[in-house]
Amino acid sequence: KAGVTQTPRYLIKTRGQQVTLSCSPISGHRSVSWYQQTPGQGLQFLFEYFSETQRNKGNFPGRFSGRQFSNSRSEMNVSTLELGDSALYLCASSLTFSSSYEQYFGPGTRLTVT
Amino acid sequence: GENVEQHPSTLSVQEGDSAVIKCTYSDSASNYFPWYKQELGKGPQLIIDIRSNVGEKKDQRIAVTLNKTAKHFSLHITETQPEDSAVYFCAASKGGGSNYKLTFGKGTLLTVNP
Repeated sequence: KAGVTQTPRYLIKTRGQQVTLSCSPISGHRSVSWYQQTPGQGLQFLFEYFSETQRNKGNFPGRFSGRQFSNSRSEMNVSTLELGDSALYLCASSLTFSSSYEQYFGPGTRLTVT
Repeated sequence: GENVEQHPSTLSVQEGDSAVIKCTYSDSASNYFPWYKQELGKGPQLIIDIRSNVGEKKDQRIAVTLNKTAKHFSLHITETQPEDSAVYFCAASKGGGSNYKLTFGKGTLLTVNP
């Protein structure tokens, strides 16, 4: 079974621009969560989607948004990029939005903001 | 919200020795505790997990213990090998719905010296 895939793997953007990252979950998984990983803050939860609905959101500004499609693929968007948005963005998929089920991570998208 | 503390931040052992990483959590409602291994350039890989109705779980050279009263859980790796070198993260989660997210520790860089 194929794992979680994320595209692109690397991205360089300029401050003020916006960016869209994509995540395809494991086949059959319907919950997709996004996390930001930085050396200073570690792994932080951004938001979680199930059945095209955002069910949980972390403490990030409104510049961070996401969506999920009917095939469970998800995208996250960051608008008006800031230098501090440079990070590894990780997507995790799970069967459903319950701690009864494991979350499996993709390889991440490395975003660099200059 | 939930807070997860992880110690030590770095750990160096000789090949064949055991390694122990400890985590404490703050929310007594947390009921799911996974451990992830992250190698350079890759996303976190789920290596073992434990739920609050279990005190210990083993998988070959890896074991996890949970003390609900003290709100701490530990990862034990026996007979360490150089390929065990990576960053290890503990996490905690509870329930589902709006509670469904992983809160991570800051990570432990494990180095296994040949």
